[in-house]
Amino acid sequence: GQQVMQIPQYQHVQEGEDFTTYCNSSTTLSNIQWYKQRPGGHPVFLIQLVKSGEVKKQKRLTFQFGEAKKNSSLHITATQTTDVGTYFCAGANAGGTSYGKLTFGQGTILTVHP
Amino acid sequence: DAGITQSPRHKVTETGTPVTLRCHQTENHRYMYWYRQDPGHGLRLIHYSYGVKDTDKGEVSDGYSVSRSKTEDFLLTLESATSSQTSVYFCAITRDTGNTIYFGEGSWLTVV
Repeated sequence: GQQVMQIPQYQHVQEGEDFTTYCNSSTTLSNIQWYKQRPGGHPVFLIQLVKSGEVKKQKRLTFQFGEAKKNSSLHITATQTTDVGTYFCAGANAGGTSYGKLTFGQGTILTVHP
Repeated sequence: DAGITQSPRHKVTETGTPVTLRCHQTENHRYMYWYRQDPGHGLRLIHYSYGVKDTDKGEVSDGYSVSRSKTEDFLLTLESATSSQTSVYFCAITRDTGNTIYFGEGSWLTVV
């Protein structure tokens, strides 16, 4: 079955440093989504990427979807303590018919030291 | 806010006892899901439903059953809880316009 690998599992940064998490799928994806989960909270949708090579920005966050639609990354510039949490990627299999059945990566836990 | 309410939010139960988690939604969404979240595994789909009495298995369905007798309620049952089922359980919905997942607040289950 489809596998989505996400690295690193943990990342500690000093406030102001940049942060990147990477996501790789074993199969071609129709789209990829990113979610953020604050400590003790539930995952919240951040963004969806659909097109090959797509790049989207949300303030200090930059999301990329690979040309082959099998990998993606999330980059945060100049982290802040409010960025703390777990970031998940989730992929939808290309050609899949199961509605909403995303495969999640393991998540990257980001800690920001003030 | 997707109008999802999970209950109970926290539960401690003994090995071998049955447990039912309830998910209630107020927006008449067709698709509902149960995920479990464990360290190092991310979020894994247990079961999902695409309508009343229409359910299907996800990737980690062993030891779990579900029921959906009304659009608004999706129940997850652990017939005989085991320690390996200690986890955080999230109910979720997708809106008919896409496959973005909206999660409930979560139910923390500890099996001792």
